[in-house]
Amino acid sequence: EAGVVQSPRYKIIEKKQPVAFWCNPISGHNTLYWYLQNLGQGPELLIRYENEEAVDDSQLPKDRFSAERLKGVDSTLKIQPAELGDSAVYLCASSQIAGTSYSGELFFGEGSRLTVL
Amino acid sequence: QKEVEQNSGPLSVPEGAIASLNCTYSDRGSQSFFWYRQYSGKSPELIMFIYSNGDKEDGRFTAQLNKASQYVSLLIRDSQPSDSATYLCAVNILTGGGNKLTFGTGTQLKVEL
Repeated sequence: EAGVVQSPRYKIIEKKQPVAFWCNPISGHNTLYWYLQNLGQGPELLIRYENEEAVDDSQLPKDRFSAERLKGVDSTLKIQPAELGDSAVYLCASSQIAGTSYSGELFFGEGSRLTVL
Repeated sequence: QKEVEQNSGPLSVPEGAIASLNCTYSDRGSQSFFWYRQYSGKSPELIMFIYSNGDKEDGRFTAQLNKASQYVSLLIRDSQPSDSATYLCAVNILTGGGNKLTFGTGTQLKVEL
């Protein structure tokens, strides 16, 4: 079974440039997450999708970040314009169930490491 | 107060010893607790979950939960150099957007030969 696939693995851009990350979850997983992880910190949730619906985007900085999950499968996370503080690893994860008090088995992709110069 | 707190370490233990990793959480209503392992440069992977007070054993790993004290721990017996990694405690916390899996900052474990 294929795991969660993310691309690109690494991206270096100048500040104020746009950037996009793509994620393909595990087949059959209806819930998709985007997390941000800074060095030495735990992952922080940006947005959670259940099928096509963004059910928790409270931590997504909507002035510059956007996300979409068309047809309830692949997802794209975009930053425009990027700032120096956006340098981090962007992790995509998927799970079969979510939203309940017992859900927590997430499968993570390898992450997309962003460096903003 | 952070929602999920861990000592960042590093925690150094000799090979063959027991490593004890600790985590406290703020939401008394939390029902489920998870331990993820993250090797340097890699993504987190789930190694244990626990829902009920007490101990849960899986091979060399034991998760312990005390809801009254809002405390969860992970014990690794017979520690091996391959156990050297960052261990992330994660807790399901009820927010306005439903249950959200919230991670601590992680504890770095080093198992020395």
